[in-house]
Amino acid sequence: AQTVTQSQPEMSVQEAETVTLSCTYDTSESDYYLFWYKQPPSRQMILVIRQEAYKQQNATENRFSVNFQKAAKSFSLKISDSQLGDAAMYFCAYIYGGSQGNLIFGKGTKLSVKP
Amino acid sequence: DAGITQSPRHKVTETGTPVTLRCHQTENHRYMYWYRQDPGHGLRLIHYSYGVKDTDKGEVSDGYSVSRSKTEDFLLTLESATSSQTSVYFCAIRGLRDTGELFFGEGSRLTVL
Repeated sequence: AQTVTQSQPEMSVQEAETVTLSCTYDTSESDYYLFWYKQPPSRQMILVIRQEAYKQQNATENRFSVNFQKAAKSFSLKISDSQLGDAAMYFCAYIYGGSQGNLIFGKGTKLSVKP
Repeated sequence: DAGITQSPRHKVTETGTPVTLRCHQTENHRYMYWYRQDPGHGLRLIHYSYGVKDTDKGEVSDGYSVSRSKTEDFLLTLESATSSQTSVYFCAIRGLRDTGELFFGEGSRLTVL
C-alpha cells in the first residue's frame, strides 16, 4: 500500500527566510504524481505545486520549488522569501498515475511565519 | 475554478440521526471523492466514484454510504451519525486534463453531539 509521511508536525520560519518541508512516500509504482497542497485558516485546499514522477527536473512555481529524489522516495518543498501569507498547513500527497488512482495525503506540517 | 459546491457547509446534529452531505459539480468531471479531515490524520478517503452509479470504498468507509445517480452530484450519507464522525468533510474532483491533481470544495463541518 502507498503511504506518505511528513515527519515535521510543525515548522517555523522568519519572514523573508527560506524553509524546507520534508515528505517521504512509499510506492511500488513507477507512474505517479506528487503534490503539495496548502490549507490556510480559511480551510480551502490550494494546490501549490505538482511533480510528475517521470520527470527528472524539479518543479518550481515562483517562490516554491521541490527537491524530488525518486530513488530515495523523497519530495521536499522549499519556500523562498517566506511571506506572512505562507502561514498554513501544508500537505504532501501522492496519486497513482492510473485512471482510478486516489490521492493519499500525509498528516501535514503546520508552518508559522514570524514577522 | 472547478465549480464544486458542498452543502451544507456547517451542520450540528445528534447521535443516531441520519445526515446527508451533497457535493455538486458543474463541469462533467468523471471522478469524485469524499475525504474527511481530522487533526493529526490529514485527509483520509471515505468513498469515491468513477462514474454514475460506480462507486468504491476508501480507507475509512465504515459508517458511510454514497450515491451518484447523475454526473454532477455525489452524496455522502451517514445512516446513523456517531460522535466519531464529527469532522470536516471535503468533496473533490479529478481534473479533466487528468494531470493527477484533485480540486477541492470548501469543506463541510459536521458536529455530532
